Amino acid sequence: EPEVTQTPSHQVTQMGQEVILRCVPISNHLYFYWYRQILGQKVEFLVSFYNNEISEKSEIFDDQFSVERPDGSNFTLKIRSTKLEDSAMYFCASIDPNRGSSYNSPLHFGNGTRLTVT
Amino acid sequence: AQSVSQHNHHVILSEAASLELGCNYSYGGTVNLFWYVQYPGQHLQLLLKYFSGDPLVKGIKGFEAEFIKSKFSFNLRKPSVQWSDTAEYFCAVNAGDNYGQNFVFGPGTRLSVLP
Repeated sequence: EPEVTQTPSHQVTQMGQEVILRCVPISNHLYFYWYRQILGQKVEFLVSFYNNEISEKSEIFDDQFSVERPDGSNFTLKIRSTKLEDSAMYFCASIDPNRGSSYNSPLHFGNGTRLTVT
Repeated sequence: AQSVSQHNHHVILSEAASLELGCNYSYGGTVNLFWYVQYPGQHLQLLLKYFSGDPLVKGIKGFEAEFIKSKFSFNLRKPSVQWSDTAEYFCAVNAGDNYGQNFVFGPGTRLSVLP
């Protein structure tokens, strides 16, 4: 079964540095998402992306964050100047709108990237 | 905005014991309901989902869940757990038309199964 893949699995960075988290969604999926999970807390929505633009974002997704689909396969999350509180597991997800209604398909998640900001 | 609560933070069971993990949500309209599992060091995997129809849904690995609309609940059950079921379990609710702000996870329940 095709999977959402994320790289790297673990990223360690110093506060103030820029990081780029990479995701390759399932090839025929069109809707992409980033979620994050701070250790011990619940999974939180960051941003959704469709047709090469952000369709929705949460309060967490401030000016320090950006997303991009630089080519036909990658979907990246950039944090411009990391803070200690950005340490979390970041999950990429996608859905296949062709399986029934666009919004009745389950999210497919990647393995996540553990970001540690020191 | 909708919210999701899970009854237990940590559940410890012996192998072969029966499991029920509680999930309640607050939203008055139509919802889609999900249970995801996260095994140690792995990604979130879909266990089962409810969109419509039979409120008793069966998922992978012998799990099932029952949607009780009047109770705003979607509890996860398994008649006999195995050591390999040790994981974090997340209930999630999608209300509305998309998976953005309307897709809300519960805080998770950690299940530890003792051999």
